[in-house]
Amino acid sequence: NAGVTQTPKFQVLKTGQSMTLQCAQDMNHEYMSWYRQDPGMGLRLIHYSVGAGITDQGEVPNGYNVSRSTTEDFPLRLLSAAPSQTSVYFCASSFDRVSNEQYFGPGTRLTVT
Amino acid sequence: AQTVTQSQPEMSVQEAETVTLSCTYDTSESDYYLFWYKQPPSRQMILVIRQEAYKQQNATENRFSVNFQKAAKSFSLKISDSQLGDAAMYFCAYTGYDYKLSFGAGTTVTVRA
Repeated sequence: NAGVTQTPKFQVLKTGQSMTLQCAQDMNHEYMSWYRQDPGMGLRLIHYSVGAGITDQGEVPNGYNVSRSTTEDFPLRLLSAAPSQTSVYFCASSFDRVSNEQYFGPGTRLTVT
Repeated sequence: AQTVTQSQPEMSVQEAETVTLSCTYDTSESDYYLFWYKQPPSRQMILVIRQEAYKQQNATENRFSVNFQKAAKSFSLKISDSQLGDAAMYFCAYTGYDYKLSFGAGTTVTVRA
């Protein structure tokens, strides 16, 4: 199993550009999440999904869109990038609805200039 | 989102010694899960240990153990016989009924040779 994969690993955008961060998992996990990590703030939940076709907002959803058309994929879209979205982004998946023990991808470092 | 507090931004420990990381959380739920994640310089998030709130017994994984005090809403991590490979940022995390994982701000652990 490849586990949770994320592409790209690094990205630089200009303000106003849009892009999609890709996330895929091959563990047949129903639950997937996106987090952003900023210095001194830990990880904050952006959006999550409890299964194909179902998504919901987390703590910091503004400026981001998600969709879940398949169990494997959970892309995160930045609609119009802003410098405040400079961060490290992590995708995670979970097999256990009760414990929500999550497996993380390697992260994407995004810089918006 | 639930509040998770890690009051120690940095901790330093001598190799082979023991270090304890503090974590407190705020919740009104009776059943939940707590986690400690490790993030080495590679950026990968690695699950260290998990604790189920309804279990009285403290979780242990090799050199890592927790002191779970439910009434005090405290969940500390003890690293025994510290090794150079333990140097990393450690995050405490909480999940309850809403499937949202909340993280503390993290504690950076430095291991002195």
